[in-house]
Amino acid sequence: DQQVKQNSPSLSVQEGRISILNCDYTNSMFDYFLWYKKYPAEGPTFLISISSIKDKNEDGRFTVFLNKSAKHLSLHIVPSQPGDSAVYFCAASPPGTYKYIFGTGTRLKVLA
Amino acid sequence: NAGVTQTPKFRVLKTGQSMTLLCAQDMNHEYMYWYRQDPGMGLRLIHYSVGEGTTAKGEVPDGYNVSRLKKQNFLLGLESAAPSQTSVYFCASSSRQGHEKLFFGSGTQLSVL
Repeated sequence: DQQVKQNSPSLSVQEGRISILNCDYTNSMFDYFLWYKKYPAEGPTFLISISSIKDKNEDGRFTVFLNKSAKHLSLHIVPSQPGDSAVYFCAASPPGTYKYIFGTGTRLKVLA
Repeated sequence: NAGVTQTPKFRVLKTGQSMTLLCAQDMNHEYMYWYRQDPGMGLRLIHYSVGEGTTAKGEVPDGYNVSRLKKQNFLLGLESAAPSQTSVYFCASSSRQGHEKLFFGSGTQLSVL
């Protein structure tokens, strides 16, 4: 059973608008979350993270929101740029483990 | 500034053949991981290691073996390849448990015919 879910396989957004990528998780014990971006033929690269003690973290155009009661996190990209077109993965780390559990990914396409 | 290096980048195998994928990191990281990426399945953890000489099973370990004889290297072996092992394999490393980001290699595209 998928513990980290990204229910939208793809998303298209106009350049300059906001992109919102969503991620749901099932285990309330997860205490750290990460977002990765992946271009074709490359490895995933780290984008932004958030600890469960926070509900928001910002880094430039990227903001991650965490709603623990809903077991939901989202990544906001504002403004979206064509170079943001990639597959985005969310990942969660259970406490006291060495593992990162990834979602299935959302392919973002930013239209110029 | 190599980071995590995977070799080879591409490989085609016949069913039943064996091969080893090599991962090397130059960041002195303790933890290393092997993931596979399949369409619609995301990144799934195969095996991981928390230090030299240690290995542990991840979510999908069957059909794979690993070894971590040196801290900087993590090898993934397929003893008898099957078409179901056609995938893109990613190695990753991190400096500590849990709240540290993973650094990924560029991947190995493996096809088993």
